[in-house]
Order: sequence, then C-alpha cells, then structure tokens
Amino acid sequence: KAGVTQTPRYLIKTRGQQVTLSCSPISGHRSVSWYQQTPGQGLQFLFEYFSETQRNKGNFPGRFSGRQFSNSRSEMNVSTLELGDSALYLCASSLALEGSYGYTFGSGTRLTVV
Amino acid sequence: QKEVEQDPGPLSVPEGAIVSLNCTYSNSAFQYFMWYRQYSRKGPELLMYTYSSGNKEDGRFTAQVDKSSKYISLFIRDSQPSDSATYLCAMSAGGGATNKLIFGTGTLLAVQP
Repeated sequence: KAGVTQTPRYLIKTRGQQVTLSCSPISGHRSVSWYQQTPGQGLQFLFEYFSETQRNKGNFPGRFSGRQFSNSRSEMNVSTLELGDSALYLCASSLALEGSYGYTFGSGTRLTVV
Repeated sequence: QKEVEQDPGPLSVPEGAIVSLNCTYSNSAFQYFMWYRQYSRKGPELLMYTYSSGNKEDGRFTAQVDKSSKYISLFIRDSQPSDSATYLCAMSAGGGATNKLIFGTGTLLAVQP
C-alpha cells in the first residue's frame, strides 16, 4: 500500500515569506504528526493531529501552525520564515492515538530559507 | 539534561561485526520504545518496537529495554554494509492520549565491507 506522501520534496524560500507543506497519511491512518529535523537539534516534535483536532503541540513559536482535513490529510504552515527554519520537515502517520503502533514517516520536505 | 540521550558516534565496524547501540532516558512515563533507521535523504523507518521492559528479536536485530535502569539497546548481528545509516531511538508515553515521540539525536553507523 502507499506510504506517507509529502509534497513538495524540496523548497527554497526567502526570509519573511511563508510556506505550506502537505502530508497525505497512509490510508486508514487517522493520527498525523509533524517533526522538524536539523543537524544540531535532531528530530523535534511540532504537533500532532487526530480526527482534525490538534492533540499535542511542541515548543515551537506560533509562526508554526498546522491543520488536518476530514480525509486525514494534513498541512503545516510556517509564516515569516527565518534562516533557522531551514530543516527537513517530516510527517508521520499512525493508525490510532495510542503510542503502541509506532509511526510511519514520509521522506520529508527539505526547506531552505535564504 | 535532555529527556533522551544517545551516543552520536560515528561508529565504524567491519562487516560481520555485532553492533550495540544504546539510549538512556529520564522520563519514567515512557512505555513504548522504538528504533528507527534513517538513510541519507530519507525519512526514518521503524525497525523495532517494544512495549515496556524485555527483549524483542527480529532477524538480525534484537531490542532490549530495561525500565529499571532507563536504558534501551539495539543489537545488530552479522552487520552488513547495507546497515550503514543513522539509528534513532524514540520513546513515547502513549496512554491513549498521544503518539508524541521523543527522539535521541541518532547514532551514525558505517559498516565497512
């Protein structure tokens, strides 16, 4: 079956712009989470959605936001981009909101802010 | 202090060696323990998943969890060049309320042919 699909794969944006990243989870998966991966900080949790509701949020500024649609697809938005937002943004989906199923990750969107 | 600590390596071993990767953690609420493998320019791939303490074996991979010591390990037997990747430990409190994972920083492994 199809895995987690993230689009676009690569993005180059200018400081101050905003960006929207998209994630399509595995069919039937209702839990979607987003992570930021950088060489210095590793993988850091951004937020988590289940049935269109944000269930958990990491320690990121309000410039980072997300949403989940009724078909479980999710988007994350970063406004007023800063150079430090350059990172690999990973989306992961899971069957349920329980922690016992593990996550399946997409290949990520590599965002470069110049 | 980070919730999850992992030796970043890099770790270089000859083909066929036994590899031991480790993480320690501080949050006693963690119940679900995972190991992910990440190849360059790819997303992490779930390798092993363990609930609570104990061992789990899958082919050449064995995961161990010692909750009393807050210590988890991944052993790779008969390592192959294709095992060269970054290995990430991850943990979750679960409990029906969240899938939020806390990751270690990853250990870069190189298996030399």
